[in-house]
Amino acid sequence: QKEVEQNSGPLSVPEGAIASLNCTYSDRGSQSFFWYRQYSGKSPELIMFIYSNGDKEDGRFTAQLNKASQYVSLLIRDSQPSDSATYLCAVSHGSSNTGKLIFGQGTTLQVKP
Amino acid sequence: EPEVTQTPSHQVTQMGQEVILRCVPISNHLYFYWYRQILGQKVEFLVSFYNNEISEKSEIFDDQFSVERPDGSNFTLKIRSTKLEDSAMYFCASRGGSSKNTEAFFGQGTRLTVV
Repeated sequence: QKEVEQNSGPLSVPEGAIASLNCTYSDRGSQSFFWYRQYSGKSPELIMFIYSNGDKEDGRFTAQLNKASQYVSLLIRDSQPSDSATYLCAVSHGSSNTGKLIFGQGTTLQVKP
Repeated sequence: EPEVTQTPSHQVTQMGQEVILRCVPISNHLYFYWYRQILGQKVEFLVSFYNNEISEKSEIFDDQFSVERPDGSNFTLKIRSTKLEDSAMYFCASRGGSSKNTEAFFGQGTRLTVV
């Protein structure tokens, strides 16, 4: 049973458009939600984290969390070709008190000039 | 800006050999982790380390694996007898604060190739 699910994509958007990346999780006790960006062959780079229901904005990025639906999303406004990467959704496991992260498979985003 | 550093960036080893992957977490961070990512697959949790002991480990982290914090700065992952299927990117991460909800920062990774 997959614990964190993402559509692997690729998701293709034109430059300047809004990219919408989605993630669902199975553990209702999950408390913390993270979005990482990973370029090919590189390490995950933290973009945003969210703990509470609702929206959280940081520059061109908005994270949205709906715990009732067990759903978290990332919106990227004014997408740029440099945003082309794999976006990893990670969840801090509810039953763990160590802060370990459970990752989704990642969604590949392609921003076309 | 503080960062997690890992060495070496690439390690090639023969099957059955021991390898040690090294990490220097961000100074004053308290929680340390190892993750791995097999090519084309998702990032998987291996082990967490806090207060000089393992706090949690996954099914992957069997008796072949061990971790150590030999001094105040280094955090190592040892694989005793490598197998072909151990070939992967290994990421070290660290997290500060007393809350489990603080974010984790990853090192640049060590690519381990077992031949």
